[in-house]
Amino acid sequence: AQSVTQPDIHITVSEGASLELRCNYSYGATPYLFWYVQSPGQGLQLLLKYFSGDTLVQGIKGFEAEFKRSQSSFNLRKPSVHWSDAAEYFCAVASWYSGGGADGLTFGKGTHLIIQP
Amino acid sequence: DTAVSQTPKYLVTQMGNDKSIKCEQNLGHDTMYWYKQDSKKFLKIMFSYNNKELIINETVPNRFSPKSPDKAHLNLHINSLELGDSAVYFCASSLSVDNTGELFFGEGSRLTVL
Repeated sequence: AQSVTQPDIHITVSEGASLELRCNYSYGATPYLFWYVQSPGQGLQLLLKYFSGDTLVQGIKGFEAEFKRSQSSFNLRKPSVHWSDAAEYFCAVASWYSGGGADGLTFGKGTHLIIQP
Repeated sequence: DTAVSQTPKYLVTQMGNDKSIKCEQNLGHDTMYWYKQDSKKFLKIMFSYNNKELIINETVPNRFSPKSPDKAHLNLHINSLELGDSAVYFCASSLSVDNTGELFFGEGSRLTVL
């Protein structure tokens, strides 16, 4: 079964500094990978996704992620964080049931990002 | 227009009661889901529903039952509520045929059981 590991429960970064959030996945086939962000009291918003092709994908709000098959990783990066980036970040991998339809996402446990002034 | 909408946003109730959370999507998607987010923010899938096929996470108690009157709606009914059911419940949908797996989420329904 697929799984996603986000090794960092909390990360604190100074405003304006660079950010990297780690994500490792376990999946038998080529994974479809996602990063979602959840602001306090809100639902989940898609930041970016990887299906195939270029292993460096660009997302919204200045985020990017790099897929590294050899390391089973899909780390999220941002060159300069803003106070509004403080949120919970979730990495996820997609799966499908035997009929071919989407069977939902398996999420990591999330990384809580704190921005210091 | 909100793509995936859930009601109510907040729900406070007593143990033993029965309650429902409604979900509607106007994206024309084929598959809908319910996720539970616990107090530690962990998201766990409860159900997925596609073309009248229900896939149940085996860890979900049978007090939880999804009901889908049509493709655009997937409601969650909970019987005999327990303290441990307190959580935020998220509805989501996806366009199955494109096989990308991308999910669109509602804003969540926070259930508090007293």
